[in-house]
Amino acid sequence: AQRVTQPEKLLSVFKGAPVELKCNYSYSGSPELFWYVQYSRQRLQLLLRHISRESIKGFTADLNKGETSFHLKKPFAQEEDSAMYYCALSRSYSSASKIIFGSGTRLSIRP
Amino acid sequence: ETGVTQSPTHLIKTRGQQVTLRCSSQSGHNTVSWYQQALGQGPQFIFQYYREEENGRGNFPPRFSGLQFPNYSSELNVNALELDDSALYLCASSIDEETQYFGPGTRLLVL
Repeated sequence: AQRVTQPEKLLSVFKGAPVELKCNYSYSGSPELFWYVQYSRQRLQLLLRHISRESIKGFTADLNKGETSFHLKKPFAQEEDSAMYYCALSRSYSSASKIIFGSGTRLSIRP
Repeated sequence: ETGVTQSPTHLIKTRGQQVTLRCSSQSGHNTVSWYQQALGQGPQFIFQYYREEENGRGNFPPRFSGLQFPNYSSELNVNALELDDSALYLCASSIDEETQYFGPGTRLLVL
């Protein structure tokens, strides 16, 4: 079964502290992994995708096929990082296909 | 500004009624996907349309149907509404296999 699991509903860290949002997936094949973010009163938007291997707003995520994980990391949290984060997967190289989302983690950055 | 708009923003219906939700994609986006997001959950894929043809469907009953028009607009129709259909409905548009851009959503409440 295709599934994305985000074990933490809420993660609260202090400004300047490291952040790690966990994501594990179950998929038979080679999926493409994404992180989506939704800031307060804004629409859902793509943060990063694993094939891009880029850092967006200081966030990075590495696909670990052995552990079937795609954790999102940032070394120093900023207050503007507070948002809802969704890990998601789709068929490889086909971002317009069905996207399976996790249930989301709310990240709260304390000043 | 992604250019994807949805209407209405909020809607209240009663059980058994029918509802039509609308989405206007960015110009040139030939693919539109619809998602249902229940409270506290991630978005769930309903179906996708590519060049006015259904191009994939999630685990939703036939009373969920859609249309895509040549002018880049689309509709989600739900018949025989049930209480569990209360959710935020999102549409997302893209060009072929490129990044999906989400609309702000329509919040449906079924009483």
